[in-house]
Amino acid sequence: DIRLTQSPSFLSASVGDRVTITCRASQGISSHLAWYQQKPGKPPKLLISSASTLQSGVPSRFSGSGSGTEFTLTISSLQPEDFATYYCQHLHSYPLTFGGGTKVEIK
Amino acid sequence: EVHLVESGGGLVEPGGSLRLSCAASGFTFSGHTMNWVRQAQGKGLEWVSSIGGSGIHTFYADSVKGRFTMSRDNAENSVYLQMNSLRAEDTALYYCTRDIAYSSFDNWGQGTLVTVSS
Repeated sequence: DIRLTQSPSFLSASVGDRVTITCRASQGISSHLAWYQQKPGKPPKLLISSASTLQSGVPSRFSGSGSGTEFTLTISSLQPEDFATYYCQHLHSYPLTFGGGTKVEIK
Repeated sequence: EVHLVESGGGLVEPGGSLRLSCAASGFTFSGHTMNWVRQAQGKGLEWVSSIGGSGIHTFYADSVKGRFTMSRDNAENSVYLQMNSLRAEDTALYYCTRDIAYSSFDNWGQGTLVTVSS
């Protein structure tokens, strides 16, 4: 089974900061990776598909990169509405798995 | 617009059964793999199961294999999750999602809560 290790698990940052979250896969998964944002009491929202494709309606301050085993989600300038928990997920083969999540909180 | 609406959650005793449903609309249902993902209170996301568009192929997490069965009715635009031999650790919010192969789960329902407790 493919394991995803997300880091950090917790991040404290200020409005305007550049934030980078890393997701490492235990084996190569090509670009079969997605990033989600989840706010309390809400279902996850898709931000990035296929490692780097920004979903329609998602602000351009979000970007994804990587392939193979190492991936990053970057928020270029953190906004108040970006404080949330972020998850990566691989869709390379079954069983599908999610990373453990990164909670982004206000410093 | 894609809509996914889950139902069927509730309180059940350990060892009991429950059947979740997910009604889909706004897209060509038979053209998409569908999934169930769960989230225990305060915890992360866990993929539970997937079913291909034709309903022939199903996949399960090890944690539910042999106890849960996913099915679909393309005429009714619905997917189901039959959950048997329920355990306390199955307590979670269960989300129905639409799959874009190798790419993402691009649409999620609001979830239905399953509580396993005596």
